Amino acid sequence: EVQLLESGGGLVQPGGSLRLSCAASGFTFSSYAMSWVRQAPGKGLEWVSAISGSGGSTYYADSVKGRFTISRDNSKNTLYLQMNSLRAEDTAVYYCAKDGLAVAGILLGYDYWGQGTLVTVSS
Amino acid sequence: QSVLTQPPSASGTPGQRVTISCSGSSSNIGSNTVNWYQQLPGTAPKLLIYSNNQRPSGVPDRFSGSKSGTSASLAISGLQSEDEADYYCAAWDDSLSVVFGGGTKLTVL
Repeated sequence: EVQLLESGGGLVQPGGSLRLSCAASGFTFSSYAMSWVRQAPGKGLEWVSAISGSGGSTYYADSVKGRFTISRDNSKNTLYLQMNSLRAEDTAVYYCAKDGLAVAGILLGYDYWGQGTLVTVSS
Repeated sequence: QSVLTQPPSASGTPGQRVTISCSGSSSNIGSNTVNWYQQLPGTAPKLLIYSNNQRPSGVPDRFSGSKSGTSASLAISGLQSEDEADYYCAAWDDSLSVVFGGGTKLTVL
């Protein structure tokens, strides 16, 4: 059974940093691209970042480029999102999602999602 | 403002057929495939349709997708009360990003 379990969310002050983790199980982690998708309270889905199965290709939304870094450790079956210079508008539930392809420069579809972890940026 | 445009709401009565539209551009829907997601209240999104019109295993055939040019549609036939949810379209954009629609809240009357 495929499982994605996010952790690392919490309350952080503006300008602060946070690292999210997503522990994956039930599939060959290195064979699939992964993404982070967020949802602000009461709002729609917003794609944040994607990484290929090998970790060699990464992509970012303009809203987080230069502040967030996506990475993965295929030996630990874990996806990460390092978030720096956090702003109030980064407040959201952050989901990790598995794509159906190994490459990240295209989207087949996110066939599995984690339960999400809440990040609140506030003083 | 979302790159893909969806109507904010839709509604139908049980048994009815409803469609939800998703409008994009040549850089996303026009040149890449479309996904559709269903999000029930308080839960993570669920993939309904991939590659414009393919259903993952376990998704009822009441759900169908189509694409024409720079627009796509999700159709739900035989509407049921449990279909009441938010629906999102998504596609890869040639600007090297994934774009989502703003979401459509479906109400079953």
